[in-house]
This record gives sequence, structure tokens and C-alpha cells, in this order.
Amino acid sequence: EDQVTQSPEALRLQEGESSSLNCSYTVSGLRGLFWYRQDPGKGPEFLFTLYSAGEEKEKERLKATLTKKESFLHITAPKPEDSATYLCAVQAAGNQFYFGTGTSLTVIP
Amino acid sequence: ETGVTQTPRHLVMGMTNKKSLKCEQHLGHNAMYWYKQSAKKPLELMFVYSLEERVENNSVPSRFSPECPNSSHLFLHLHTLQPEDSALYLCASSQDLGVSTDTQYFGPGTRLTVL
Repeated sequence: EDQVTQSPEALRLQEGESSSLNCSYTVSGLRGLFWYRQDPGKGPEFLFTLYSAGEEKEKERLKATLTKKESFLHITAPKPEDSATYLCAVQAAGNQFYFGTGTSLTVIP
Repeated sequence: ETGVTQTPRHLVMGMTNKKSLKCEQHLGHNAMYWYKQSAKKPLELMFVYSLEERVENNSVPSRFSPECPNSSHLFLHLHTLQPEDSALYLCASSQDLGVSTDTQYFGPGTRLTVL
């Protein structure tokens, strides 16, 4: 069964404390893996698209990596404004999209 | 700003009301999507349109009726909803569907409450 699982469900970090969020997936024919940031009451904001295993992308304090089974979103020296829910999604062959339930990140000053 | 707008941002309706949600994208995309987001659940894909044709309907109840008059506009018509339909309804668009990898860009959502 195609699915996307994100862990942990919630994460609390001190400002400056680096960590990683995990997105594991089982889909038939990965066409792309997406990371989004979602603030309360708002729509998901696009962060990254990863296309194949071994690919990495960076944006400010965020770095996304991809293997054949999972993706990591690394957050380096986070700041309070990085607090949000981070969503992972995959597009499978056949144009089906699967979303995880997200990781709620809180960065404490 | 993502280039995808949704109105209204908040909507409260009774179970016998009829209302419509509107989505407009300013990105020149050819595909548009409706999602339902409920607490603690993954986003649920409801409808997909590509070049104004519906290509996916994920077993959505008939009380939800989509309309895509052109590639920039998408509507979701609502009637005789149930309280469990209360959720955040998100619209998204992508350049195409099925050509390669389709990165979706989301609007801010409509928070719907059914009394």
C-alpha cells in the first residue's frame, strides 16, 4: 500500500539546536518528493522538490535529502520563526499524490 | 504570496445552505486541485482538473460539486453538508499534470464550519 509516514509527530528545539525531520515513503514509482511548511491557519508553502535518490537541496537553514526509502529535512541552528508544521508529500506513477500528517516544530528562544 | 488566492477565507454555514468556494491562480498553470485538510489527518485529494477537464475524483460525496470554467479559476459548490465536513479546504495548482514532476502551489485555504 502506498503511504507516507512522517516522524516525529512533534519536535521541540532550543534556538540553535540542530535536528532532522524524517519522511519515509512506500510508493510505486516515485516521480517526486515535496516538502512544505505550513503555519497555523494558512496553506502549505512550497519549500523543495526532490526528484531522485541522492539529491540534496538547501534553502537558508533548511536542507532536504532523499534516499530510495526516505527523505530528511535538516534544520541547522533553528530560530523561533522556523516554528511551523512541515509536510512531506510524494507523487507516484499514475499521478497520485500522498501526504504525510506532518511534523509540528516548535523552536524555543 | 503563492499566487493562488481563495475566497472566502472563513465560512460558517448551516446544513441546508448552499455556498461556493472560489480559487484563482495567477501562475499560468494548467492543473488545479481541491484538498480537504482535517486535524491530525493527511491532506485528502478531492478533485483534480487538467486543462479544465476533471481527471480525478477520489470518491467524494456528491454534496461537493467542482467547477473549472477556465485554467485560472476553480470552484467548489457545497450543498447539504454535514458537520464532519468542517475542515480547511485548500486549492492548489501545478504547471501541468503528468508531464513530469508536478510541484503544487497552495492557496491560503477556506476554513469551513458546518453547524
